[in-house]
Amino acid sequence: GESVGLHLPTLSVQEGDNSIINCAYSNSASDYFIWYKQESGKGPQFIIDIRSNMDKRQGQRVTVLLNKTVKHLSLQIAATQPGDSAVYFCAEIPGFQKLVFGTGTRLLVSP
Amino acid sequence: GAVVSQHPSRVICKSGTSVKIECRSLDFQATTMFWYRQFPKQSLMLMATSNEGSKATYEQGVEKDKFLINHASLTLSTLTVTSAHPEDSSFYICSARGLAGPTDTQYFGPGTRLTVL
Repeated sequence: GESVGLHLPTLSVQEGDNSIINCAYSNSASDYFIWYKQESGKGPQFIIDIRSNMDKRQGQRVTVLLNKTVKHLSLQIAATQPGDSAVYFCAEIPGFQKLVFGTGTRLLVSP
Repeated sequence: GAVVSQHPSRVICKSGTSVKIECRSLDFQATTMFWYRQFPKQSLMLMATSNEGSKATYEQGVEKDKFLINHASLTLSTLTVTSAHPEDSSFYICSARGLAGPTDTQYFGPGTRLTVL
């Protein structure tokens, strides 16, 4: 079936660095993409979303880039902090129906 | 953002017993709620979609008679794991989507850790 996948299972960065988490998706019919942050033992927390008619969206310290040509999604975190350490999931919604989650990337931020 | 709560946050039960997990949207009405299961170091897997006032739609491979879902109001959905067994031990997470429908954001609860002895 269609799936969303990630290139890197673990990303280690130093505090203050910028982090880039990548995601490849396979369903060209997806209209909507979301990045979630999940801390250990907690539910996913919404970070930022982007619709398929956009290629970039910025939030506070975060930017999501969408490249529909190569079906690639990325999350950029500026000035990464220890509190950003978590597992990050990209998710897509083909046809605005159900969320399909990627496999997740663990971000480790060292002080 | 909107708040979704789950109760209990953690439950330990004996094999063969049933466990009920509640999911509530605290400050918004949710036409649709979703139930996910997550095993350690894995992604979230959708179990079922629950619409207020109607029967839940289960994903392929999920036993509807084992995982009973009730969505009695626009702010409450419950998942009952019937005759639980150790293989049902997992992290169960619900999410709620607002009245705007598919374009509305899905907010997740904090999860319920179920351990079946």
